[in-house]
Amino acid sequence: DIVMTQTPSSQAVSAGEKVTMSCKSSQSLLYSENKKNYLAWYQQKPGQSPKLLISWASTRESGVPDRFIGSGSGTDFTLTISSVQAEDLAVYYCEQYYDTPWTFGGGTKLELK
Amino acid sequence: EVQLVESGGGLVKPGSSLKLSCVASGFTFSSYGMHWIRQAPKKGLEWIALIYYDSSNKYYADSVKGRFTISRDNSKNTLYLEMNSLRSEDTAMYYCAKGEFGPFAYWGQGTLVTVSS
Repeated sequence: DIVMTQTPSSQAVSAGEKVTMSCKSSQSLLYSENKKNYLAWYQQKPGQSPKLLISWASTRESGVPDRFIGSGSGTDFTLTISSVQAEDLAVYYCEQYYDTPWTFGGGTKLELK
Repeated sequence: EVQLVESGGGLVKPGSSLKLSCVASGFTFSSYGMHWIRQAPKKGLEWIALIYYDSSNKYYADSVKGRFTISRDNSKNTLYLEMNSLRSEDTAMYYCAKGEFGPFAYWGQGTLVTVSS
């Protein structure tokens, strides 16, 4: 199974701050034939189901604010929030869909400083 | 608008069975693979099963293989998860999600399964 490791597990932030979180996979998620990384980012707020923010490592879903930026390739990926807003306080998960079983990272929880 | 509505969760004893349902609307259900994903209380997400659009293939996580069965009824736009030999570690919120081999773009609101004596 592909192991997904997210760091940090939690992070205290202030509104307006730039935030970065990391996701590393135990094997490459880059498919050579189409040059796509099979990596997604989700946001989960308390009491809600996860919401897809970014697919293919860097493609924002429709309606996702452009302050959410996904980057990286191969085994190392980053989610950046350029200027954190109060509504961004949530847990963020990365997920690989390169191979079965689909696997998720343990999450990064954004909290208010 | 895509909607996925799970039901069937509840409190059950270890060793018992339960069948979850997920009713889909807002898209052509019979054209898409569907997944079940669960989340134990205060824990992360665990994918547990996939069924192809035509039920031709099914995949399971090792943690549920042999105990859980995913199925679907395309005439009723409904996805199922039959869970047998339930254990305390199966306690979780169970979500259905749309998609086949891509990311999980749509999720239901979840149904809670609690396994306890």
